[in-house]
Amino acid sequence: DTAVSQTPKYLVTQMGNDKSIKCEQNLGHDTMYWYKQDSKKFLKIMFSYNNKELIINETVPNRFSPKSPDKAHLNLHINSLELGDSAVYFCASSPTKDFYEQYFGPGTRLTVT
Amino acid sequence: GENVEQHPSTLSVQEGDSAVIKCTYSDSASNYFPWYKQELGKGPQLIIDIRSNVGEKKDQRIAVTLNKTAKHFSLHITETQPEDSAVYFCAAGGTSYGKLTFGQGTILTVHP
Repeated sequence: DTAVSQTPKYLVTQMGNDKSIKCEQNLGHDTMYWYKQDSKKFLKIMFSYNNKELIINETVPNRFSPKSPDKAHLNLHINSLELGDSAVYFCASSPTKDFYEQYFGPGTRLTVT
Repeated sequence: GENVEQHPSTLSVQEGDSAVIKCTYSDSASNYFPWYKQELGKGPQLIIDIRSNVGEKKDQRIAVTLNKTAKHFSLHITETQPEDSAVYFCAAGGTSYGKLTFGQGTILTVHP
């Protein structure tokens, strides 16, 4: 009965590979987000989707491509992985796009070697 | 864009003491200020939030105060317990759909 779930929890890969992280929420929320947390614990928003529509697209390399097949799922695909992509990626959801509470998933720790 | 500064970066207290974490924000249009607690290996968890039409909000041992004029807000934890040990983040939002700008985090350690 996990509210926001992510797979995988850990991802170790080599530079240049392509990988995906999946996120699902069972809260019935309209809005989902991807955040990146770097080694200093700094949390920064990357993307947000509202009812499958992209509404926030921060300054993120275009190697990162989010996809929302439906409002309960938001995936993150990363092409040509670089060392600097190593981080913890969090998915979150909120009832609407208008600043209601955001609920975070458990995170995916990506390590690029 | 919005900028959120959080202090202190680390805070160590004895069990039963109070802990205060402070944040300042730059964009006067921000109107939503949540606080998150992140335990080791877990995602951030919302513990309390406040909107700009309210000056203070309390939930059991935690409280948040907001000073819109000075553009700062604070988290107060009373009667701290070892299980309060975690990283705490403040954030500000309200200027762009769904976008929260986070502070740098405070590592709180409560010693038994």
